[in-house]
Amino acid sequence: GAGVSQSPRYKVTKRGQDVTLRCDPISSHATLYWYQQALGQGPEFLTYFNYEAQPDKSGLPSDRFSAERPEGSISTLTIQRTEQRDSAMYRCASSDGPGDWDEQFFGPGTRLTVL
Amino acid sequence: EDKVVQSPLSLVVHEGDTVTLNCSYEVTNFRSLLWYKQEKKAPTFLFMLTSSGIEKKSGRLSSILDKKELFSILNITATQTGDSAVYLCAVEAVDYGGSQGNLIFGKGTKLSVKP
Repeated sequence: GAGVSQSPRYKVTKRGQDVTLRCDPISSHATLYWYQQALGQGPEFLTYFNYEAQPDKSGLPSDRFSAERPEGSISTLTIQRTEQRDSAMYRCASSDGPGDWDEQFFGPGTRLTVL
Repeated sequence: EDKVVQSPLSLVVHEGDTVTLNCSYEVTNFRSLLWYKQEKKAPTFLFMLTSSGIEKKSGRLSSILDKKELFSILNITATQTGDSAVYLCAVEAVDYGGSQGNLIFGKGTKLSVKP
C-alpha cells in the first residue's frame, strides 16, 4: 500500500474486554514495529517482526499483550482483559531494510481508551 | 513536506569524549520532539521535548530544543563504549483534527565509541 495503515483509529472498551488492533504495513517492508504511547509521553517500543518472525518482544508490558504477523504482512496486537492503564496510543511502523536501523514509516495510530 | 534531518550521519569518538548530535526539522503543527537510542532493532526512548530552552537530563545525556530555530541537540558527555548506537530524532506533528499526531523520524546518527 501507499503507507502504513492502522485500524481502528479509535477504540473505546470496557475494562476486562479483549481488544485487537490491526496494522497494515507498506507492502514491501520486511520489518514491522509496535509502540505504545501514553498521553504526554514518547512512543515506547513493544515488539517487532522480521517478516513473520518475532525476534524481540521485550517491550510488551505483560502477558496480556501479544502480537502476531502470521503471513509476514498484516500484524495484529491483542490486549486481553484490558485495564485502564492500557489506555494509550498504539503505533505501528514498518521499514524495508535488513540493517539495525532503517527509516521507519509510521501509521496514524489507534487511540485506545479503557473505561 | 514535513522532514527531520539529523547530522552527522555517523561519528567515531574515543571514550571520554563529549559528543553533540543535531536534529533539525520542518513540520507543520509541531507537537513534540523525541530522541531515541537504537541498539539492534529495539529503540529506547530517551527524551521528549515540547518547550524551547528547557534542558532535559538523564545521567550523561542531555537535550534541548529550540523551537524558533527548529532544531534540537543531544549531548553525551564522558562517552563510553556502551553509548555506541544509532541515535534517532523524531518529531510528532499534530494532524488537522488535533487528536492524533504523525511521527516523522530522521535517518539517525550512528555513534561509535572506541576504547
